Amino acid sequence: AQSVTQPDIHITVSEGASLELRCNYSYGATPYLFWYVQSPGQGLQLLLKYFSGDTLVQGIKGFEAEFKRSQSSFNLRKPSVHWSDAAEYFCAVEDTAGKSTFGDGTTLTVKP
Amino acid sequence: KAGVTQTPRYLIKTRGQQVTLSCSPISGHRSVSWYQQTPGQGLQFLFEYFSETQRNKGNFPGRFSGRQFSNSRSEMNVSTLELGDSALYLCASKKQGEGTDTQYFGPGTRLTVL
Repeated sequence: AQSVTQPDIHITVSEGASLELRCNYSYGATPYLFWYVQSPGQGLQLLLKYFSGDTLVQGIKGFEAEFKRSQSSFNLRKPSVHWSDAAEYFCAVEDTAGKSTFGDGTTLTVKP
Repeated sequence: KAGVTQTPRYLIKTRGQQVTLSCSPISGHRSVSWYQQTPGQGLQFLFEYFSETQRNKGNFPGRFSGRQFSNSRSEMNVSTLELGDSALYLCASKKQGEGTDTQYFGPGTRLTVL
């Protein structure tokens, strides 16, 4: 069965600092990988997705993620964090049948 | 284009009751998935409907059921509510339901069971 691990429950960064959120997955075949962001009281918004091809994918709001098959990782990065980036971030893997499995999420706090 | 809408946004029920939640997907989307989000269990997949047929199912008891109508709108029903069913229920739609489609989430229905 597929699984997703987000090792960091909570991360605090200063505004303007760089950010990396970790995600490790377990899946037998080439995975479909996603990063979503959720603000309080809201649904999830897709930041970026990886299906195949270039292992560095660009998303919205200045985010990018890199797929590393050898490490079973799909870490999310942003070079300079803004206060509005404070939210909860979820990594997800989807199998070919369309069933999604989410990590437990990482809560990002941005210090002024 | 309007996004995914869910009604009601908030709901309070008591143990033993049943509840029906509604989801209207983005126009033209044929796949609707439901998720349960709780602080303890995180985001868990309930089921997916595509063209009025349940295509995928998560590991939830039979008290959780759903259906999809010909206009792609979907409802989720939970019977004999338990305290542990208190959660944010999220609905998401996709155009064709393929893995490469983008999944769009609604704002959720917050269910509280007393």
